[in-house]
Amino acid sequence: DAKTTQPPSMDCAEGRAANLPCNHSTISGNEYVYWYRQIHSQGPQYIIHGLKNNETNEMASLIITEDRKSSTLILPHATLRDTAVYYCIVRVDFTGTASKLTFGTGTRLQVTL
Amino acid sequence: SQTIHQWPATLVQPVGSPLSLECTVEGTSNPNLYWYRQAAGRGLQLLFYSVGIGQISSEVPQNLSASRPQDRQFILSSKKLLLSDSGFYLCAWSRVHEQYFGPGTRLTVT
Repeated sequence: DAKTTQPPSMDCAEGRAANLPCNHSTISGNEYVYWYRQIHSQGPQYIIHGLKNNETNEMASLIITEDRKSSTLILPHATLRDTAVYYCIVRVDFTGTASKLTFGTGTRLQVTL
Repeated sequence: SQTIHQWPATLVQPVGSPLSLECTVEGTSNPNLYWYRQAAGRGLQLLFYSVGIGQISSEVPQNLSASRPQDRQFILSSKKLLLSDSGFYLCAWSRVHEQYFGPGTRLTVT
């Protein structure tokens, strides 16, 4: 799986958009970009994933650059409950096989009033 | 909808005692199952995964073992706990893409 690089921490004011970057310059053509987050003392929570196209769901948007070497997770209106560690993970997925995730150190997002 | 259960939520065990943590999934069949551990202040480490009943793959050599006696049941065990086994143990399930985690068991070995 390709290595990812994320800033260790970020701050965001409540109500503003939080843009979390991730570099994955060695990503290969069949590797997906995943985002998870972990709120303190809880298990990680799946947020979104994508391969080439930008993706949006009820939680967030994922913007992947055309060369796929980086991506940005966007929380459009951050709230205090979005304070968490956000993990960007790149991996290949095959039907019928286990999806082994390698969690790095992530970005600690602090949402403030 | 799918639900994943883990118990107990917290556990304090003496060094040398046995361990059994249980994880069950509801609302899906033939899931892939995983055990992770998170030591205090550290990242998540994948310990075991299973793609079917009786099929266990170990990611790191350690003092722990896993079993999958039923399709939606995953058990983490140890015969003799070490101090270094303390941590936050998380069970997860997946199909193809996204992985869903349980509430976790916080184990303290004293």
